[in-house]
Amino acid sequence: GNSVTQMEGPVTLSEEAFLTINCTYTATGYPSLFWYVQYPGEGLQLLLKATKADDKGSNKGFEATYRKETTSFHLEKGSVQVSDSAVYFCALVTSGTYKYIFGTGTRLKVLA
Amino acid sequence: DVKVTQSSRYLVKRTGEKVFLECVQDMDHENMFWYRQDPGLGLRLIYFSYDVKMKEKGDIPEGYSVSREKKERFSLILESASTNQTSMYLCASTLPNTAGNTIYFGEGSWLTVV
Repeated sequence: GNSVTQMEGPVTLSEEAFLTINCTYTATGYPSLFWYVQYPGEGLQLLLKATKADDKGSNKGFEATYRKETTSFHLEKGSVQVSDSAVYFCALVTSGTYKYIFGTGTRLKVLA
Repeated sequence: DVKVTQSSRYLVKRTGEKVFLECVQDMDHENMFWYRQDPGLGLRLIYFSYDVKMKEKGDIPEGYSVSREKKERFSLILESASTNQTSMYLCASTLPNTAGNTIYFGEGSWLTVV
């Protein structure tokens, strides 16, 4: 079945450091890929998405590129801020299904 | 902007009580979902509904039921709450998935069963 694997956290960085959170997937067909962010005490919010191979999603300085050859969708940001501290979820859905598959989440803590 | 509203943010219930969690979305979405979120386990799908009065079991439906009488409203029911149902519950909605539609979440309902 379909699955998403993302790096275990927590990830602790200093402000202005470079961020990478790895995400790889297994899926039949051609999934759409998402990154969601969850701030403390809140629900998940869409951060960015990509719907086909080689697409790059970007938002608020975060980027991720849909790499079909390595089945990956790694999240990157050039310079993190304290306000980026949150839990990040990688997710996928394949066309024609309702089942969104989520990774287990990676907690990011950014220190001032 | 899409808004998914969960009416109760924090609830404390006793073992054996019947619990209703309500969710309303304002974007005329066909699909609605209930997930539970637990540390280390990520999001697990409890139930899914693709139309009024239509539902499908997710991965962990035991101990739960749902109701969808109107398109915008999807309720999760715990018939007899137990302590292992203490969790955060997330409601979500989306259009039918033909092109990687975004799934939108509510802010969550924290349920403690004592």
